[in-house]
Amino acid sequence: GESVGLHLPTLSVQEGDNSIINCAYSNSASDYFIWYKQESGKGPQFIIDIRSNMDKRQGQRVTVLLNKTVKHLSLQIAATQPGDSAVYFCAENVGWGKLQFGAGTQVVVTP
Amino acid sequence: EAQVTQNPRYLITVTGKKLTVTCSQNMNHEYMSWYRQDPGLGLRQIYYSMNVEVTDKGDVPEGYKVSRKEKRNFPLILESPSPNQTSLYFCASSFTAGGPREQYFGPGTRLTVT
Repeated sequence: GESVGLHLPTLSVQEGDNSIINCAYSNSASDYFIWYKQESGKGPQFIIDIRSNMDKRQGQRVTVLLNKTVKHLSLQIAATQPGDSAVYFCAENVGWGKLQFGAGTQVVVTP
Repeated sequence: EAQVTQNPRYLITVTGKKLTVTCSQNMNHEYMSWYRQDPGLGLRQIYYSMNVEVTDKGDVPEGYKVSRKEKRNFPLILESPSPNQTSLYFCASSFTAGGPREQYFGPGTRLTVT
């Protein structure tokens, strides 16, 4: 597949451990935030989102935490699996339909 | 099968030769958007459309045009491509109730402008 992040921060995680991916956002008026996963050679895939009036949201094996005070978002993946190896992006809705993405974090799951 | 399709998947062209990248979705989504992806820069939004005949600029609209005459199609037009438009392009779509959160992305179009 094609490489989309030649100089991305990398998180190396052992299989079975929990992963935490962090993201700083820029616009305090953003009303919701989204996490996407992108595997090599594919388009991004929606994981989970959170509205600005929430602090935490859980999905299947994933939890997103939002700290509006410091404009910080995190994605926690429980019991990381080899299939979780990918680039993860956060995005914020800065206006009606206008989205801004972070640069991404490469997650590498080791056996 | 619910999907977003883009054509072509790969394109090599020369500076100044007009081109169109097509995008089509079969999910009856109101919202569609184009992004470019460059190494280390993440995804940057070019244009988006909340519904038919409604389009707005994203963060990097210069050098691009779009149109939304039908709900399912959202072509990206480069009137006079330049080498700095060499990139990986993604089209995406979603419902707009509550905002375009769960976007479905196409497979990408790798464009090289020489």
